[in-house]
Amino acid sequence: GAGVSQTPSNKVTEKGKYVELRCDPISGHTALYWYRQSLGQGPEFLIYFQGTGAADDSGLPNDRFFAVRPEGSVSTLKIQRTERGDSAVYLCASSKRTGEGNEQFFGPGTRLTVL
Amino acid sequence: GDSVTQMEGPVTLSEEAFLTINCTYTATGYPSLFWYVQYPGEGLQLLLKATKADDKGSNKGFEATYRKETTSFHLEKGSVQVSDSAVYFCALRGSGGSYIPTFGRGTSLIVHP
Repeated sequence: GAGVSQTPSNKVTEKGKYVELRCDPISGHTALYWYRQSLGQGPEFLIYFQGTGAADDSGLPNDRFFAVRPEGSVSTLKIQRTERGDSAVYLCASSKRTGEGNEQFFGPGTRLTVL
Repeated sequence: GDSVTQMEGPVTLSEEAFLTINCTYTATGYPSLFWYVQYPGEGLQLLLKATKADDKGSNKGFEATYRKETTSFHLEKGSVQVSDSAVYFCALRGSGGSYIPTFGRGTSLIVHP
């Protein structure tokens, strides 16, 4: 079956621009997670959704970052006024539910480069 | 807060060599411990896990034992293959109700024929 997909796979933008990154979770998965992976680092949590609502957004670095999941399936991570320090691979994962024993399945990531 | 420390890579081995990738952690309570693998061009995949002290996780010939006394979860494989070349991430999930894992920096493994 289809796994988690993310589009685009690569995004190059200029400092100050707005970008949107899309995540399509596995069908039927109610929990969706966003992570950021900087070069040479492990993934760092940004935000997770249970259904349509953001259950925990404590990892968002500042108010330039925002994410939505309006119908409880596809999610979009939005970054305003991009900065060079935002360059990283943005990972999305989904799981059937939250809680013990619910494995997260990861997408291949979107590599964002801010020039 | 919770943290995970992994040995730095890259680890370079010949095929059929023995592999150890060290991982130690800091956490309160009794976290669950994980190893993820990321093959080139693919997303992270769960490789194995252990949820309590002395548990051994195993999968695809890889093993790791949850050692509470040394706060470690070292990854081992007796005979690596070229296809094992990937980046390996150690991670923990705290026992405080959060289901968000904390990842280590990753260790790159390169296996030569």
